[in-house]
Amino acid sequence: SQQGEEDPQALSIQEGENATMNCSYKTSINNLQWYRQNSGRGLVHLILIRSNEREKHSGRLRVTLDTSKKSSSLLITASRAADTASYFCATDPGSSNTGKLIFGQGTTLQVKP
Amino acid sequence: KAGVTQTPRYLIKTRGQQVTLSCSPISGHRSVSWYQQTPGQGLQFLFEYFSETQRNKGNFPGRFSGRQFSNSRSEMNVSTLELGDSALYLCASSWGTDGYTFGSGTRLTVV
Repeated sequence: SQQGEEDPQALSIQEGENATMNCSYKTSINNLQWYRQNSGRGLVHLILIRSNEREKHSGRLRVTLDTSKKSSSLLITASRAADTASYFCATDPGSSNTGKLIFGQGTTLQVKP
Repeated sequence: KAGVTQTPRYLIKTRGQQVTLSCSPISGHRSVSWYQQTPGQGLQFLFEYFSETQRNKGNFPGRFSGRQFSNSRSEMNVSTLELGDSALYLCASSWGTDGYTFGSGTRLTVV
């Protein structure tokens, strides 16, 4: 399969704790993106990190990228019950693969109030 | 500004029928991509259109087709429906390569 892998598959934490999700991919990339999905609805774009970047922050989100290991991690700090959702990493291979994102299988995060 | 609009939200069809799904991208976005999401296979790329031309296609049978109109709205069609086509179909629009905006999806159930 071309799809990347995410771990853990499921994560349950208490409100206020930090959540870390990891993503590994197989091909070279132009950028890597993280998306959130609530209960089988549409995907919400969270953050994008380019292949020449190593770390990026957006609010309570921190993303790292290690292209030598073909891996990325998403850290959500001070989690809230509203963060309960599935999180997907998606790689953009760039070049001629226009419009095509390769998604991981996702991490289901439950934040308990 | 308005987001990506997909219609209908839910659809129930019988095996062998065909179905057409619609996607209206964000104004100004010329690229529209389609994805299929199932519990078993996850999110899989179907195809991408830009300025009415299909630029990229995923690994799906020819029963899956699409098109894009001059106003960037896109449709995808699935002919001769099979039970395995039951899925959430998502479309996404983008202006460049800085991330995609997804619609809420069309939930297709084939019975």
